[in-house]
Amino acid sequence: SQQGEEDPQALSIQEGENATMNCSYKTSINNLQWYRQNSGRGLVHLILIRSNEREKHSGRLRVTLDTSKKSSSLLITASRAADTASYFCATDEGTNAGKSTFGDGTTLTVKP
Amino acid sequence: DTAVSQTPKYLVTQMGNDKSIKCEQNLGHDTMYWYKQDSKKFLKIMFSYNNKELIINETVPNRFSPKSPDKAHLNLHINSLELGDSAVYFCASSQVTGYVLTFGAGSRLTVL
Repeated sequence: SQQGEEDPQALSIQEGENATMNCSYKTSINNLQWYRQNSGRGLVHLILIRSNEREKHSGRLRVTLDTSKKSSSLLITASRAADTASYFCATDEGTNAGKSTFGDGTTLTVKP
Repeated sequence: DTAVSQTPKYLVTQMGNDKSIKCEQNLGHDTMYWYKQDSKKFLKIMFSYNNKELIINETVPNRFSPKSPDKAHLNLHINSLELGDSAVYFCASSQVTGYVLTFGAGSRLTVL
């Protein structure tokens, strides 16, 4: 079964608005990452947050992590049409094998 | 360009055939992975190699056989292809097992 579930499955907003997507997971984790996938392309790493961190920023991205609720959120501020993509969370359970388990993804559409 | 490159990008074949997908990374990473993404964008790990040693082997039919001739290459051979094998296969690498993944552009396999 999937470790991560993302919510919403799809999100459509206007350029300039903020976009928030959420990820919930089931087991304890070492870290949580967010990736972006443009249509027909590979995934690109956006940001990594460790289990002992609560919030992290990178440019227009803000990620929060609540380990007590086993959830994370990704906020994209002042969205642009170029942000249109699918966004995935991935959790690393910290096993030696280093398996990253991906969520179902949120498809974001930013309308110009 | 430093990257993860995989070939071919598209593969269309008949049921029962055997096919291979090749992956190479020039990032100097020690760990390489194969992920499968289905039509619903669900991304699942298949295999992982660390310095040519298999470290993750998920529940994948034994028709799938990975081979890592050196730490920069990880190939995937699939025997007796079935309709359900149709998917996009992504190769990825990471410097530290379980850390940030760098993905290839994907190989779309269509089995007719």
